[in-house]
Amino acid sequence: NAGVTQTPKFQVLKTGQSMTLQCAQDMNHEYMSWYRQDPGMGLRLIHYSVGAGITDQGEVPNGYNVSRSTTEDFPLRLLSAAPSQTSVYFCASSSQGQGIHNEQFFGPGTRLTVL
Amino acid sequence: ILNVEQSPQSLHVQEGDSTNFTCSFPSSNFYALHWYRWETAKSPEALFVMTLNGDEKKKGRISATLNTKEGYSYLYIKGSQPEDSATYLCAPKAAGNKLTFGGGTRVLVKP
Repeated sequence: NAGVTQTPKFQVLKTGQSMTLQCAQDMNHEYMSWYRQDPGMGLRLIHYSVGAGITDQGEVPNGYNVSRSTTEDFPLRLLSAAPSQTSVYFCASSSQGQGIHNEQFFGPGTRLTVL
Repeated sequence: ILNVEQSPQSLHVQEGDSTNFTCSFPSSNFYALHWYRWETAKSPEALFVMTLNGDEKKKGRISATLNTKEGYSYLYIKGSQPEDSATYLCAPKAAGNKLTFGGGTRVLVKP
């Protein structure tokens, strides 16, 4: 299994540009999520999904869109990049269910710089 | 949004010494408490998932305890080694599968 994969690993954008960060997992996990990591702020949840066709907002959703058309893929779209979106983005997945010790598996991250 | 606090933010430990640090979280609507280990330039990796009050987990020299009634968890590193240098994140889980991460405790073990 490849686990959770993310592309690209690095990206530089100009203010106002749009782009999509890709995330895929091959573990048949129902739950997928996107976090951003900023210095001194830990990991903050942007959007998450509990299954194909279902998405919801996390703690910091503004400026980002997501969709979940398949179980495997959960892309994150930046609509109009702003310097405040300069960050490291992590995608994670886990199995669903309250009674399961469902640890999250993280992708390698995408380092995004917005000029 | 849960208020999750980890203390201290960072600590330096001499190789061979033991250390511990704290994760505090709201005790209401508690389902589980996750601990992750995050090495520089890598991705966070799960250490423990704890659910029961009084639960204690161990993996090698690292162990954790959980008090759900008062809303805290301790993580212990016994006989610290340089490879233990990392940021340790805690994340309580409330409703659904959402985790709220604390800011982390950055541990640097000096040889």
